[in-house]
Amino acid sequence: DADVTQTPRNRITKTGKRIMLECSQTKGHDRMYWYRQDPGLGLRLIYYSFDVKDINKGEISDGYSVSRQAQAKFSLSLESAIPNQTALYFCATRGGESYEQYFGPGTRLTVT
Amino acid sequence: RKEVEQDPGPFNVPEGATVAFNCTYSNSASQSFFWYRQDCRKEPKLLMSVYSSGNEDGRFTAQLNRASQYISLLIRDSKLSDSATYLCVVRGPGGGADGLTFGKGTHLIIQP
Repeated sequence: DADVTQTPRNRITKTGKRIMLECSQTKGHDRMYWYRQDPGLGLRLIYYSFDVKDINKGEISDGYSVSRQAQAKFSLSLESAIPNQTALYFCATRGGESYEQYFGPGTRLTVT
Repeated sequence: RKEVEQDPGPFNVPEGATVAFNCTYSNSASQSFFWYRQDCRKEPKLLMSVYSSGNEDGRFTAQLNRASQYISLLIRDSKLSDSATYLCVVRGPGGGADGLTFGKGTHLIIQP
């Protein structure tokens, strides 16, 4: 089984809808991250959390919110989706002293 | 000047050839450096960390040039399976969570 999982893997939604992307990990890591990836723009950090009680905004947090329900779960919400939020979304985790981040398989979101 | 810059490519290389590409970074206080590999529509995965003295892992060699502020990745005896996008990641002041800044990637295509 994958260490970092994301649901759904693909989602098409309409403008104005609320949508939640979920991330779960079995690595026991404290640190979790949400990124979006767009062609030509690379990976951009949306939010990150260093433990259950710690939530931080990243580079592009506007229009997004997150919830760290447990050490193993970190959810990303789009309160009112808009077409320019169409992107590939990755969750990642990190633990211990290593700076290596482990990414989930990604969620491809399309907002029409 | 962008913080982390990579030639987007694509680099089209015949199988068996040696290929090298660089990544430049703007902050001289950057502390750690990494190469990630990302297959099409998949998640990024750590390929190797880059140490000050340079390091090698099989056919892959990574080097750091602090004076000129760049890191390099050299792939010898390239295989079809090396086709991917290679992301440069730099850790230092002013980066995102954990100080990490991701480059936009260099696209490599190994041709039979």
